[in-house]
Amino acid sequence: DQQVKQNSPSLSVQEGRISILNCDYTNSMFDYFLWYKKYPAEGPTFLISISSIKDKNEDGRFTVFLNKSAKHLSLHIVPSQPGDSAVYFCAASDSGGSNYKLTFGKGTLLTVNP
Amino acid sequence: NAGVTQTPKFQVLKTGQSMTLQCAQDMNHNSMYWYRQDPGMGLRLIYYSASEGTTDKGEVPNGYNVSRLNKREFSLRLESAAPSQTSVYFCASTGTGSTDTQYFGPGTRLTVL
Repeated sequence: DQQVKQNSPSLSVQEGRISILNCDYTNSMFDYFLWYKKYPAEGPTFLISISSIKDKNEDGRFTVFLNKSAKHLSLHIVPSQPGDSAVYFCAASDSGGSNYKLTFGKGTLLTVNP
Repeated sequence: NAGVTQTPKFQVLKTGQSMTLQCAQDMNHNSMYWYRQDPGMGLRLIYYSASEGTTDKGEVPNGYNVSRLNKREFSLRLESAAPSQTSVYFCASTGTGSTDTQYFGPGTRLTVL
């Protein structure tokens, strides 16, 4: 049973426009959420995170929104740049656990066209 | 400060051969993880070590063994490789805080023929 779902395998946007990547989760114990970015032939790198006590976290062009009642989060990239083209993974954890495990979604391939 | 390093970068095995993937981190992290990434499947946890001296199974542990050699090093062993183990393998580490970020290595691309 997939606990973290990214239902869009791919997304294509024009440079300068907004990119919105979505993620849904089913496990009510998840209270910390992260987005990772992955370029081909490299390891994933941390992008931004949000705790369940917040509904928004912003870092430059990147903003993550959390809707706990809907068990949904989204990553907004504004404005999108060609260098943002990568696979984006949503991840979630139960911060009250002792093993610090992350559960990842399957990823969304973002392509930003010049 | 190299972060998380993995060796080798690429490997080709024949079915039935064995090999060990090496991972080391220099961030004094307590927890270490092994993931595999397959097309359309995202990142799946194979094994993890929450602290030195402990290891636990993740989502897809069958066919693998691990060793937490010391605080820095966490190895993944395939005793008898199978074509289904063709994948990209990532090692990651994180500190002791419950909301600490996991840092990933560059990956090992393994092909089993």
